[in-house]
Amino acid sequence: EAGVAQSPRYKIIEKRQSVAFWCNPISGHATLYWYQQILGQGPKLLIQFQNNGVVDDSQLPKDRFSAERLKGVDSTLKIQPAKLEDSAVYLCASSLDASGTQYFGPGTRLTVL
Amino acid sequence: AQSVTQPDIHITVSEGASLELRCNYSYGATPYLFWYVQSPGQGLQLLLKYFSGDTLVQGIKGFEAEFKRSQSSFNLRKPSVHWSDAAEYFCAVGPPPLSNFGNEKLTFGTGTRLTIIP
Repeated sequence: EAGVAQSPRYKIIEKRQSVAFWCNPISGHATLYWYQQILGQGPKLLIQFQNNGVVDDSQLPKDRFSAERLKGVDSTLKIQPAKLEDSAVYLCASSLDASGTQYFGPGTRLTVL
Repeated sequence: AQSVTQPDIHITVSEGASLELRCNYSYGATPYLFWYVQSPGQGLQLLLKYFSGDTLVQGIKGFEAEFKRSQSSFNLRKPSVHWSDAAEYFCAVGPPPLSNFGNEKLTFGTGTRLTIIP
C-alpha cells in the first residue's frame, strides 16, 4: 500500500515570497491533515479536511496560509507571503476517518531567508 | 485542554542497553495514546497505540508501552536498543475512536531525541 506522498521535499524561499506544498493521501482515506513542525517541537495541526470540507482550521494563520482539497483527494497548502517564522517542516497525514490512526508523509522542509 | 509532556528532551543510551521514554498526558476522558518515531529527514512512523484492553501494548521494532491511568503515563520501553533506534520519539494523545469529539485534535509532546552510543 502506497503511503502519503508529499512534494517538494525541500524548499528555500525569501521572505514575502509565496510557496505551495502538495499532498496525496493514502487511497481511500477520507481525512487529511496538515501539520507544522518547528525545529525542536512536536507537530502542530494547521488544518483538517474531511473529504473536501474543512473540519478544523482554528490554528491556521488565515491571513497568509490557505489550503484546499479539491475532489476530496489531493491537497495543497499555500503560504503567501512567507515570513521568517514560517521556517518549519510541513507534514501531511491522512486517516480513514476523523478518529482513525494518522499516517504521515515525509514532510516538506521550508526555509525562509 | 488536552496536553502531553515528555520531560526528557534528550536521552543517550549504549547499544544493547534498555530504554524507557517518559510520557505524561492530560485528558478529560479515556485517552487514545500513541507513540510515533521520526528519523532524520523523515515523517512520523507509528510505533504503537492504545485505547483499551491490556495496558501493556506491543508495537513494531520491539517497542512496548504501558498505560498507567493512576499516573497519567504512557511510557515507551525497549529491552535492548539498536543503533538504528536513534531518532526523535513523540508521544501523542487524541480523541477515542468513533468519538464525536470533533473539535479535539491529536496533540503531540515536544519529543525526546534518542542518541545511541556504540
